[in-house]
Amino acid sequence: AQTVTQSQPEMSVQEAETVTLSCTYDTSESDYYLFWYKQPPSRQMILVIRQEAYKQQNATENRFSVNFQKAAKSFSLKISDSQLGDAAMYFCAYRSAEPGNTPLVFGKGTRLSVIA
Amino acid sequence: DAMVIQNPRYQVTQFGKPVTLSCSQTLNHNVMYWYQQKSSQAPKLLFHYYDKDFNNEADTPDNFQSRRPNTSFCFLDIRSPGLGDAAMYLCATSRGTSGVYEQYFGPGTRLTVT
Repeated sequence: AQTVTQSQPEMSVQEAETVTLSCTYDTSESDYYLFWYKQPPSRQMILVIRQEAYKQQNATENRFSVNFQKAAKSFSLKISDSQLGDAAMYFCAYRSAEPGNTPLVFGKGTRLSVIA
Repeated sequence: DAMVIQNPRYQVTQFGKPVTLSCSQTLNHNVMYWYQQKSSQAPKLLFHYYDKDFNNEADTPDNFQSRRPNTSFCFLDIRSPGLGDAAMYLCATSRGTSGVYEQYFGPGTRLTVT
């Protein structure tokens, strides 16, 4: 079974600074998807960024980028120019690319605080 | 624009008293999911519907049931809630079940069991 580990329960960053959230995963599969989700307080979880395992190029979405190291099974999220609105719980998630339904496997999350 | 709507946002029920949580979507997605998220834990998939086909996760307790009367609505029924069922319940939708499809989450219903 696949597992996702987020080793930082809480992180904080100064506004306008850069922060990196860590995520490692364990799988025997070669093809899969990795995700970072953001869950603000009392609001719904939204997808921040997605990486397809067969793509070597790291995904980027505006201020958000990932460092995907397939051999090391590492998938960290970098947030540049942090804003107050970035404060949230961030979940790393894995999903198999096998046909049919495969569940999203989430890590336990990292709570990010942004300090003005 | 609300896309995945969950009602109520907060629900209090008594130990053993059946409770139903509601989810609706305006995305016309084929798949609807129910997750349980306990405090400081990761969301855990309970089950999902692909159209009318129901798929239960192996470790989902029998106490949890679901209904999907049409594309737009999906319900989570907890037949006899225990104290351990207190959690946030998240509904999500996606166009398909492959990992290429994004899952859209609702705001969740926080269930308290007294």
